[in-house]
Amino acid sequence: NAGVTQTPKFRILKIGQSMTLQCTQDMNHNYMYWYRQDPGMGLKLIYYSVGAGITDKGEVPNGYNVSRSTTEDFPLRLELAAPSQTSVYFCASNWHQNLGNTIYFGEGSWLTVV
Amino acid sequence: AQTVTQSQPEMSVQEAETVTLSCTYDTSESDYYLFWYKQPPSRQMILVIRQEAYKQQNATENRFSVNFQKAAKSFSLKISDSQLGDAAMYFCAYLNYGQNFVFGPGTRLSVLP
Repeated sequence: NAGVTQTPKFRILKIGQSMTLQCTQDMNHNYMYWYRQDPGMGLKLIYYSVGAGITDKGEVPNGYNVSRSTTEDFPLRLELAAPSQTSVYFCASNWHQNLGNTIYFGEGSWLTVV
Repeated sequence: AQTVTQSQPEMSVQEAETVTLSCTYDTSESDYYLFWYKQPPSRQMILVIRQEAYKQQNATENRFSVNFQKAAKSFSLKISDSQLGDAAMYFCAYLNYGQNFVFGPGTRLSVLP
């Protein structure tokens, strides 16, 4: 059981480039999330999805886009990368949030924009 | 909006000793969930312990236990017999029905040999 898988693990981007962080989960979870964690800081929610075809903005959505065409996949798109987007990105998922089910995290994607 | 506060940015403990990490939260709800997550240097997020607000009994997981004070909106984590592998960032998190997880800013725990 792979859990939540993120790719790539490390990436360096130049200012203005675009890229997609991939996230897939094999637990049939309906809820999926993207967080960013800046150095020495906590987690900030970028976008989330409560099911296929449904996405919503979190706390810090600017500069990002997401899609949820399947239950398993929740890619995060960075358009026109900026140095402020240098961070560690975590994808996460859980099942039936209203039951308080714990959230499972991917291993993180380290992104540097230079 | 719900908020989670961790007032101790850094803590240290001697190996084999006990340490308590503090967490307070703000909510008007009566049913919710609270979590402690550990993030070692590898940056992986690991669930340590979970508490359901309607349960009076404090959750325990081996050397980890919580002191849940619902009226005071306090949810502290006690680590007994601290080990070097316990060194990490610890995040307190809150979850309510229909809401997203709210994470605190974290407490960095150092374990001294």
